[in-house]
Amino acid sequence: QSALTQPPSASGSPGQSVTISCTGTSNDVGGYNYVSWYQQHPGKAPKLMIYDVSERPSGVPDRFSGSKSGNTASLTVSGLQAEDEADYYCSSYAYNNNVFGTGTTVTVL
Amino acid sequence: EVQLVESGGGLVQPGGSLRLACATSGFTFSTYWMHWARQAPGKGLVWVSRINSDGSSIRYADSVKGRFTVSRDDAKNTLYLQMDNLRAEDTAVYYCARGNMVTTHYWGRGTLVTVSS
Repeated sequence: QSALTQPPSASGSPGQSVTISCTGTSNDVGGYNYVSWYQQHPGKAPKLMIYDVSERPSGVPDRFSGSKSGNTASLTVSGLQAEDEADYYCSSYAYNNNVFGTGTTVTVL
Repeated sequence: EVQLVESGGGLVQPGGSLRLACATSGFTFSTYWMHWARQAPGKGLVWVSRINSDGSSIRYADSVKGRFTVSRDDAKNTLYLQMDNLRAEDTAVYYCARGNMVTTHYWGRGTLVTVSS
C-alpha cells in the first residue's frame, strides 16, 4: 500500500495552466479507471474535484480536467485563479484498499 | 444538504483506545459506502478503512489492520471507528467520507486524535 507519487510543488501565474502528475503501478492507477483528485485548503476538509479519471462533480469548474496514461494520472488546472492555490491529492482504487498520493502544493504566483 | 460530523477525538495514551463517530444527515445513509481517512499534522492524506452499505464488505489499511474496527448503525445514520492499541503514529485528524467503493465524494471536517503520554 505505497502512496502514489506526486511532485511536492507546482506553480503558475494567474491565467496560466498547471499540470500535476500522479504515478502508481499496474495494481492501482494503471489497473483501474478509478482515479480521483481532491483539493484541500489549509485547515479545511478535502473537496472532490475529479473522479473516475476525468469526470467532474457538479459545481466544479471546467478549468479542472483529468487524464490517465498507463500508470500515471494527471490533473490540469487551466486559467489559474488565486483561489486554486491549495494542496491537491490524487487517489486510486486498488482492489482491497484505496490509496492516496503524496500531495502537491499549488502556488499561484 | 449532505453533512458529516466527526466526534470522539482527543488525547489518549499509547496503548489506549478511542471510538470515533461520524453523524450524518441530508442523505440516505444506509445506501452508501463510507470511508475513514486520516491526516497527520503537516502531512498528506492516508486512507484508513471502508465499509459497504450493508456492512458485509470491510477493508483496512495494513497500518491499522487488527487494531481498528469500522462499523455502522443505519438506525442512527452514524459511522464508527473503534481504535485500539493506539500508537504515536496514529496521531492525526480523522475524516469520515461518503462515497462508493472506489472513491469518496463528501467529507466531514474531521476530529483530532493525539496519542501521547
